[in-house]
Amino acid sequence: KQEVTQIPAALSVPEGENLVLNCSFTDSAIYNLQWFRQDPGKGLTSLLLIQSSQREQTSGRLNASLDKSSGRSTLYIAASQPGDSATYLCAVKEASNYQLIWGAGTKLIIKP
Amino acid sequence: KAGVTQTPRYLIKTRGQQVTLSCSPISGHRSVSWYQQTPGQGLQFLFEYFSETQRNKGNFPGRFSGRQFSNSRSEMNVSTLELGDSALYLCASNSGGDYNEQFFGPGTRLTVL
Repeated sequence: KQEVTQIPAALSVPEGENLVLNCSFTDSAIYNLQWFRQDPGKGLTSLLLIQSSQREQTSGRLNASLDKSSGRSTLYIAASQPGDSATYLCAVKEASNYQLIWGAGTKLIIKP
Repeated sequence: KAGVTQTPRYLIKTRGQQVTLSCSPISGHRSVSWYQQTPGQGLQFLFEYFSETQRNKGNFPGRFSGRQFSNSRSEMNVSTLELGDSALYLCASNSGGDYNEQFFGPGTRLTVL
């Protein structure tokens, strides 16, 4: 049974720092992996999607990597800003049934 | 291109009542998924519909049901509401194809008193 873990559960850093959020999964038979952002009480915003055949994707200050063999993905945020404060979730889409399996999220606070 | 819309945004109901939530996916998307999000359980998959057929179902009791119409709009219904059904209900519009990306609506906040 696929399990997705995100570490750390919470992270607080000063503005301007580069940071890395981690996501690990137990079954490498995935279709893709998606990173989302959620602001308090709001829906989810898709940040990056990495296909199982890809190693990384970039969008602006965000870079996501995928190492399927080790069951890990990282989300790198460069030059963090207070507006980056949110909960970041990773979700793995299983190859067998296309179901999304979710991590519990990392709550990120960027201090001005 | 319009995003995913969910109505209503907020609902307050009492135990034992039933509720219907609506979701309109992105134009051209034929698949819709529903999720329940609570502080204790996180995001949990309810069901997925594709071309008016339920394609996948999560581990929820039969009180939770859904359907999809020919225009891809979807509804989910919860009958005999319980306090534990209080949650944010999220609808996702699935792009399908090789990318198979999910785009979420703003959610419906259901409070059961």
